[in-house]
Amino acid sequence: GAGVSQSPRYKVAKRGQDVALRCDPISGHVSLFWYQQALGQGPEFLTYFQNEAQLDKSGLPSDRFFAERPEGSVSTLKIQRTQQEDSAVYLCASSLWTGDYEQYFGPGTRLTVT
Amino acid sequence: RKEVEQDPGPFNVPEGATVAFNCTYSNSASQSFFWYRQDCRKEPKLLMSVYSSGNEDGRFTAQLNRASQYISLLIRDSKLSDSATYLCVVNVGNTGKLIFGQGTTLQVKP
Repeated sequence: GAGVSQSPRYKVAKRGQDVALRCDPISGHVSLFWYQQALGQGPEFLTYFQNEAQLDKSGLPSDRFFAERPEGSVSTLKIQRTQQEDSAVYLCASSLWTGDYEQYFGPGTRLTVT
Repeated sequence: RKEVEQDPGPFNVPEGATVAFNCTYSNSASQSFFWYRQDCRKEPKLLMSVYSSGNEDGRFTAQLNRASQYISLLIRDSKLSDSATYLCVVNVGNTGKLIFGQGTTLQVKP
């Protein structure tokens, strides 16, 4: 069956541009997570949705980062006025329910800010 | 101090070797523990969950010591295909939010 998909796979943005990253979770998965992975590091939690409700956004690094999941399926992570330190791989994961369920990761979007 | 700490390696071992990775976590409220595998430029994938009683999956054995806040992964009879980064992961709350270590890189040589 289809896994988690993300688009675009690669994005190059000039400093100051806004970007939007899309995540299509596995159909029927209630929970959706965004993580940021810098080169040579493990993924770091950004935000979490249960259906359309954003229940935890404690990992968003600044108010330039915004995420939404308006209909409880597809999610978009938006970064405004991108900075070089935003360059990373942005990973989306979904799980069937909340809590201790396996998270399935998408292939990620590699963002490079020049 | 990071919440989950791992030796980044790299660990370079010959095929057939046994290799062990260790990890420590700082939050005593951590509830669930996992090892994920990440191949170069790919997404992380769950390798195995880790239980206090220890658990084994083929050539892989995982152990958890809650008192010492220490997690280990043992790989026996290493294969070339085991070459990857192994991420130690904990789940602190009940939302599923995962905290990842930096990852330990394993390179198995012929």
